[in-house]
Amino acid sequence: EDQVTQSPEALRLQEGESSSLNCSYTVSGLRGLFWYRQDPGKGPEFLFTLYSAGEEKEKERLKATLTKKESFLHITAPKPEDSATYLCAAQKGGYQKVTFGTGTKLQVIP
Amino acid sequence: NAGVTQTPKFRILKIGQSMTLQCTQDMNHNYMYWYRQDPGMGLKLIYYSVGAGITDKGEVPNGYNVSRSTTEDFPLRLELAAPSQTSVYFCAAGPQHFGDGTRLSIL
Repeated sequence: EDQVTQSPEALRLQEGESSSLNCSYTVSGLRGLFWYRQDPGKGPEFLFTLYSAGEEKEKERLKATLTKKESFLHITAPKPEDSATYLCAAQKGGYQKVTFGTGTKLQVIP
Repeated sequence: NAGVTQTPKFRILKIGQSMTLQCTQDMNHNYMYWYRQDPGMGLKLIYYSVGAGITDKGEVPNGYNVSRSTTEDFPLRLELAAPSQTSVYFCAAGPQHFGDGTRLSIL
């Protein structure tokens, strides 16, 4: 069964304190690994798609990386406005279904 | 620049009532999805569609129905609402574009 596990469940950082969020997946024949940001009362906002091990993508203070078993979302010098829940999801090759993790709730304190 | 539009944003239903959650996209995307999100849980796939006239079940389809008569619209129908269907429902076009959800309470 396809599974996506995110850790930690919650993370509290001081402004400027860099850290990483983890997303482990067991999906055979990965077609794509997605990262999203979700603010309270809103739908997920797409951040990145990673397709193959070794791939990296960056956007402002965020960098996503991918290995054959997990993905990391690195947050460099976070600001309070980075506070949100970060979701990852995996899509199996040949299928349109996407399996989501339960998310990491990030709080950045000024 | 609407993207994915869901209506209504909030709704309270009584047990046994029926309703349709509307979802419209303006990106001409073939793939559309319905998810539900419960507190502390990931998004669970209810139904999905790969194009007009084609739908398929996801992980949690019981108690729901969908149709896809056009590329733009993908409504989700709840028949005989039950308290277990209290949730936030999200529609998506492709894996990238989500609506802002419908918050549904069944009392």
